[in-house]
Parts: sequence; structure tokens; C-alpha cells
Amino acid sequence: KNQVEQSPQSLIILEGKNCTLQCNYTVSPFSNLRWYKQDTGRGPVSLTIMTFSENTKSNGRYTATLDADTKQSSLHITASQLSDSASYICVVSAISYGNNRLAFGKGNQVVVIP
Amino acid sequence: NAGVTQTPKFQVLKTGQSMTLQCAQDMNHEYMSWYRQDPGMGLRLIHYSVGAGITDQGEVPNGYNVSRSTTEDFPLRLLSAAPSQTSVYFCASRPTGALNQPQHFGDGTRLSIL
Repeated sequence: KNQVEQSPQSLIILEGKNCTLQCNYTVSPFSNLRWYKQDTGRGPVSLTIMTFSENTKSNGRYTATLDADTKQSSLHITASQLSDSASYICVVSAISYGNNRLAFGKGNQVVVIP
Repeated sequence: NAGVTQTPKFQVLKTGQSMTLQCAQDMNHEYMSWYRQDPGMGLRLIHYSVGAGITDQGEVPNGYNVSRSTTEDFPLRLLSAAPSQTSVYFCASRPTGALNQPQHFGDGTRLSIL
């Protein structure tokens, strides 16, 4: 069973509208949570990183939130642009026996239409 | 500053052939890793290295070999290609010990095994 679940799997939004992507995880012991953006045909690029003590982090029009108690995170995209069309991947890091272990979600596929 | 460079970008192989996927980074990162990305699945770790001369297995290592003779290069070898190895392969790097730093990904090698 995947330890990182993302929803919705895909969505289509109109340019200029907002949207929110969800990430639920069961990974422990928790170290940090990252959101990556992956454009078609490219590698993932980091958007935000949050540790246990951080509950919100912004990067331009992208705002990530973290509730470590409920093990949930969200990524909010404000005033979407066509360039926001991409897959958004939630990655949770755990520290186990001194090693950093990453658990990847399957991604939220976002399509922004004019 | 090129970041993480992967070659080739595309490759088609016949079952049983061998090949090496190249990965180079110019950021002096100690930690490098290889992932495969398949439709409907999150990124899965194949092999990783915490520095020159040190490699270890990830989640799906069977059928792949790696070596790390220099800090910059981390090639992935397919010994005898199988159709199940058809995938998109990503190489990534980050500084060792910098657990809150994101991984830097290359743009991938798209590999088809016939």
C-alpha cells in the first residue's frame, strides 16, 4: 500500500482560477514533506519543503500547508496560468536508522485551459 | 551550471541487449540516485550512492547495476534488458546530510525494450 496518497488524480481548471491538491501520508517517523512540479517530458522540480514545525510555506502563487497531526498536506495554486499544467508530486521523507527514506505519491495531474 | 545531465534522452533496445544510462552533475553533490517512473506509479528508487566508491540498493534494484568512481558521474547499467524495464529513468542528486534540501533531477531517459 502506497504510504503517500494524492487526490484528485487529475483535474482540469480554467485559467485564472484557484485549485487545491491534497496529500495524505502514513510515513513515519516524519522528517519533512516536499511538493515537486513535473512538466511533461521533464524531471521534477522542487516547489516547497516543510518540516514538522512548519505549517505553511509559499513559493509565488504556490502555497503548501502541512498538518503533521493528521498527516495531511495541501498545495494551493492561486490564479492559475497555462504554465501550471503539470503533475504535482508529494514526497514525504522519513528518517530510519540514520538513513533518509523517501516515499513518493503518484502525482496530481493538473491541466489549465484558457 | 548545467545541474543534472542525463544521456541519452531516448533509447530503444531489444530484449537481452545491454546498455548504460549516463548521469552527470556539476554541483559537487555527494548523494546521487536513480529512479524509474512508470504510468500510475510514484517514482521508485533503483540504486543510490552517498559518495564516490559507495553504492547501495533501493526499492527495485534487480536487473540494474551501478558504480560511482567519481563524485560527478553515476551511470546505471542494464545487463540484459527486459520489456519490464521499459520506463522513464531519472537521476537525481543532493548534498549528503542536507536532508531538508531538495533533490535535483535530470530530465530523464525514456527507454523502450522491444
